[in-house]
Amino acid sequence: NAGVTQTPKFRVLKTGQSMTLLCAQDMNHEYMYWYRQDPGMGLRLIHYSVGEGTTAKGEVPDGYNVSRLKKQNFLLGLESAAPSQTSVYFCASSYLFAGLNEKLFFGSGTQLSVL
Amino acid sequence: QKEVEQDPGPLSVPEGAIVSLNCTYSNSAFQYFMWYRQYSRKGPELLMYTYSSGNKEDGRFTAQVDKSSKYISLFIRDSQPSDSATYLCLKGRGNAGGTSYGKLTFGQGTILTVHP
Repeated sequence: NAGVTQTPKFRVLKTGQSMTLLCAQDMNHEYMYWYRQDPGMGLRLIHYSVGEGTTAKGEVPDGYNVSRLKKQNFLLGLESAAPSQTSVYFCASSYLFAGLNEKLFFGSGTQLSVL
Repeated sequence: QKEVEQDPGPLSVPEGAIVSLNCTYSNSAFQYFMWYRQYSRKGPELLMYTYSSGNKEDGRFTAQVDKSSKYISLFIRDSQPSDSATYLCLKGRGNAGGTSYGKLTFGQGTILTVHP
């Protein structure tokens, strides 16, 4: 009963390094999301996907790229990390219920520090 | 103006108190709202959802929507130390003729501490 799994859980990068965060869900959900959470800012949407092979920009997409090659996986990439990208990153997947209501399931987060 | 505004607190109450958590929203076209609870170092999890106006009760929790005031509330009765968490309101997508539009929008989250 894994749900949404994020790897890694913690990571420290130096400015300019690149990395990929992996999100995997085993619930056959169509929609997947990447959020970042910073103190006082709530959850801000980075990118999202409404199905395999599709991606779209969210509220704060700059400096990030994503790919959804398989329905169960959603990857978030940082091409050249900056200290402003220090944050906790959450992946979520969702399904529709009662018509158009959407229930989100979140992973446990990745704590990223960029020095 | 942000679509959803939430007082970040922090809010500290004694065990057994009634807690009121609130959000305001700016676009009256949206019909459903959710409350998520997030424990420290964990991902948010769905607590309750409401559709349209009125109250919805689940145990010690009551979610309320007042569309005339564009106000959504979560009440916790007989609060417990285990209720200590961050509570996030979420505005759902709009619905026009069976088609969804817009985006999900979270409030900033309210940090709640219930002390024994």
